[in-house]
Amino acid sequence: EIVLTQSPGTLSLSPGERATLSCRASRSVGSPYLAWYQQKPGQAPRLLIYGAFNRATGFPDRFSGSGSGTDFTLTISRLEPEDFAVYYCQQYGSSPYTFGQGTKLEIK
Amino acid sequence: QVQLVQSGAEVKKPGASVKLSCKASEYTFTNYYMHWVRQAPGQGLEWMGIIHPSGGSTSYVQKFQGRVTMTRDTSTTTVYMELSSLRSEDTAVYYCARERGNDGFDLWGQGTRVTVSS
Repeated sequence: EIVLTQSPGTLSLSPGERATLSCRASRSVGSPYLAWYQQKPGQAPRLLIYGAFNRATGFPDRFSGSGSGTDFTLTISRLEPEDFAVYYCQQYGSSPYTFGQGTKLEIK
Repeated sequence: QVQLVQSGAEVKKPGASVKLSCKASEYTFTNYYMHWVRQAPGQGLEWMGIIHPSGGSTSYVQKFQGRVTMTRDTSTTTVYMELSSLRSEDTAVYYCARERGNDGFDLWGQGTRVTVSS
């Protein structure tokens, strides 16, 4: 099983700032098979990034994904109020598919 | 529109079983794998398993082996997830999610809350 570790657990930032979220895998993830999801309170997760760097429909270009192998990053260039949420990474290339524990992005 | 609509909330006693449904609309049901993911209160996401709607084959996380059964009905474009021998730790919101090939889980149901309590 591939274990995904996200850091930090909580990130406190202000609107307009840059957010950098990390996802580290216990062994190499095939880069087409790394996704990021955004989840707001009371809602289902929403696909944000797939294939490590492809942005899903509906998300603006301030969101970007990067990385390969065991280290992946989600960057939000300039935070907007609606970006404060919990973000999960997921690998779906090796069963069991696994999620990171999440990073909570909160308003400072 | 393209959507997954899940069944309503359930309250069960320990030891009972629960069967949840997830109805797919406005896309070719048999072309996409379907997954079940759960989220305990205040916790993260936990993948439970996958069903291939075209042939019905399944694969489950080892921790749920023997307790979970995923099925599908192609005539009603619905997938089901049954979890037996419920315990308090199974209290969670259960989601179905569609896998779009190599592109992650692109469509999610609204979730079904299952509460296990005596």
